[in-house]
Amino acid sequence: TAGITQAPTSQILAAGRSMTLRCTQDMRHNAMYWYRQDLGLGLRLIHYSNTAGTTGKGEVPDGYSVSRANTDDFPLTLASAVPSQTSVYFCASSEGGGTGELFFGEGSRLTVL
Amino acid sequence: AQSVSQHNHHVILSEAASLELGCNYSYGGTVNLFWYVQYPGQHLQLLLKYFSGDPLVKGIKGFEAEFIKSKFSFNLRKPSVQWSDTAEYFCAPLPNNNDMRFGAGTRLTVKP
Repeated sequence: TAGITQAPTSQILAAGRSMTLRCTQDMRHNAMYWYRQDLGLGLRLIHYSNTAGTTGKGEVPDGYSVSRANTDDFPLTLASAVPSQTSVYFCASSEGGGTGELFFGEGSRLTVL
Repeated sequence: AQSVSQHNHHVILSEAASLELGCNYSYGGTVNLFWYVQYPGQHLQLLLKYFSGDPLVKGIKGFEAEFIKSKFSFNLRKPSVQWSDTAEYFCAPLPNNNDMRFGAGTRLTVKP
């Protein structure tokens, strides 16, 4: 069972360029999330989606956008990358409704130079 | 605004020592409570969870946590840690709106 699949695993990006991190789940979960993990700051929620067609802002949404066209996919886009967006990005999903365990992808390491 | 606070940034213990990691949250409504663990080089995985009922919940690998509603706390405990418990631990209250935010994490180092 694949669970959550993230791509790419790692990427080096020049500042000012755009980038989309892909996330796909095969568990038919309603809710999906994007977090960034930085040393000393833990995981911070960027955006989330309760169900297909809806999205919400988390703690650190600036500079990021998401879409949820269907249940399975939840891409994260950086329109114009900046060095402060260097981080490890984790996608997660849950059944939703506040009761579900989160299942995480393996992470995408992004370096913005 | 909702928030979650983990009191200890880095804890260093010797094997067989007892562990308690603090977690306090500030949420307006009902929340379900989780502890996740991240072993070196891996993604987060569920350690234990509390939805309702007995406020003392047991998870995997001998971990347990106690929900104290009056203190808005959900502290993680283990009577005797092992070297393999070296990891980062995250507390996470999950409200019904799915806006799930994690604490900053506590790094646990267990010396053999």
